[in-house]
Amino acid sequence: TQLLEQSPQFLSIQEGENLTVYCNSSSVFSSLQWYRQEPGEGPVLLVTVVTGGEVKKLKRLTFQFGDARKDSSLHITAAQPGDTGLYLCAGAKAAGTASKLTFGTGTRLQVTL
Amino acid sequence: GAGVSQSPSNKVTEKGKDVELRCDPISGHTALYWYRQSLGQGLEFLIYFQGNSAPDKSGLPSDRFSAERTGGSVSTLTIQRTQQEDSAVYLCASSALTVPNTEAFFGQGTRLTVV
Repeated sequence: TQLLEQSPQFLSIQEGENLTVYCNSSSVFSSLQWYRQEPGEGPVLLVTVVTGGEVKKLKRLTFQFGDARKDSSLHITAAQPGDTGLYLCAGAKAAGTASKLTFGTGTRLQVTL
Repeated sequence: GAGVSQSPSNKVTEKGKDVELRCDPISGHTALYWYRQSLGQGLEFLIYFQGNSAPDKSGLPSDRFSAERTGGSVSTLTIQRTQQEDSAVYLCASSALTVPNTEAFFGQGTRLTVV
């Protein structure tokens, strides 16, 4: 059973466009993370959100955790070719312990010139 | 070490052979995960260790797959009688205990090709 669904699965856009990636679940998570994976590499953490309704910004990337802590979104403003990669959300169930991370299905982003 | 180290980085094996994949987590990280990633796909959870025990091995696809962890450190994922559908990148990640963020640090993976 896939607990975290991401949409869209694939996204191809031109440089300068804006985009939003969604991560949805029927489960409540104590924290949610976003990772980016480039070809030949392991995923690398971008951000962690912990509080319902929390918004975090990382340069042109804006991350939001849903009020009910069941969903999250990643918005990229003025996308650049360097943003190309596989974006993964991951939810953790329990705070204070190394609980198992559940990864989403992934969104593959291609930004072209 | 400074990061999660996996070996080998690439492995080509004949169908029916056994393979062992190794993961050296970040020193002091008690949690260790194995994931599998097929070409262009997301991460498929295989098994999770906390210390030397595996409270969740629900993702192992068949009894040909097994994993162990010794000394709360190095982990080995073993695939017996490999099949072509086992071809994938096997990723290992580790994380520290007691932090709510439980950030996972990934190795670069082992690319397994079964011919």
